[in-house]
Amino acid sequence: EPEVTQTPSHQVTQMGQEVILRCVPISNHLYFYWYRQILGQKVEFLVSFYNNEISEKSEIFDDQFSVERPDGSNFTLKIRSTKLEDSAMYFCASSEGQGSYEQYFGPGTRLTVT
Amino acid sequence: GENVEQHPSTLSVQEGDSAVIKCTYSDSASNYFPWYKQELGKRPQLIIDIRSNVGEKKDQRIAVTLNKTAKHFSLHITETQPEDSAVYFCAAITAGAGSYQLTFGKGTKLSVIP
Repeated sequence: EPEVTQTPSHQVTQMGQEVILRCVPISNHLYFYWYRQILGQKVEFLVSFYNNEISEKSEIFDDQFSVERPDGSNFTLKIRSTKLEDSAMYFCASSEGQGSYEQYFGPGTRLTVT
Repeated sequence: GENVEQHPSTLSVQEGDSAVIKCTYSDSASNYFPWYKQELGKRPQLIIDIRSNVGEKKDQRIAVTLNKTAKHFSLHITETQPEDSAVYFCAAITAGAGSYQLTFGKGTKLSVIP
């Protein structure tokens, strides 16, 4: 069964550094998402992406964040200058779209900002 | 925007008993309500979902009910087993601009006592 994959599983970075989190969505899916989950809290929406552009973004997704689909398979989240409060689990998800709402999540990247 | 409330935050049941988790939502335009199971350190896993044109859906020991008028939906797990122990999140789709961001509840930690 196809699954969303993410790399790395754990990323440790210093405050102010740039990080890039990578995702490979399910191959026939058209919609891609990033969510984050601070330890012990609920999952929060960051951004959705369709047809090579951002469809929606939340208040969390400020100018420090960007997303990109650099090729036909990868979907990346970049944080330009990390802050301590960016420490969280970041999940990528994808869905088929076209009336199919089911979103399937990747295993996550745990980002630790020191 | 959409707001999803989930209760209880923790739930302990004896193995074999039933468990019920309840959620309410605020946006009457929401039309898709998935439930995710998250084991410690793992990805949220879609376990069942329901659309707004359906009142109830079952899949083996799991069922979900939806009351559109009252804007609440519930997850029912019968004959609970220790492997059902996890955090369960309800969510609602807030559709917009051709994409579908999930708004999650805060989660219910279910413990099934052998």
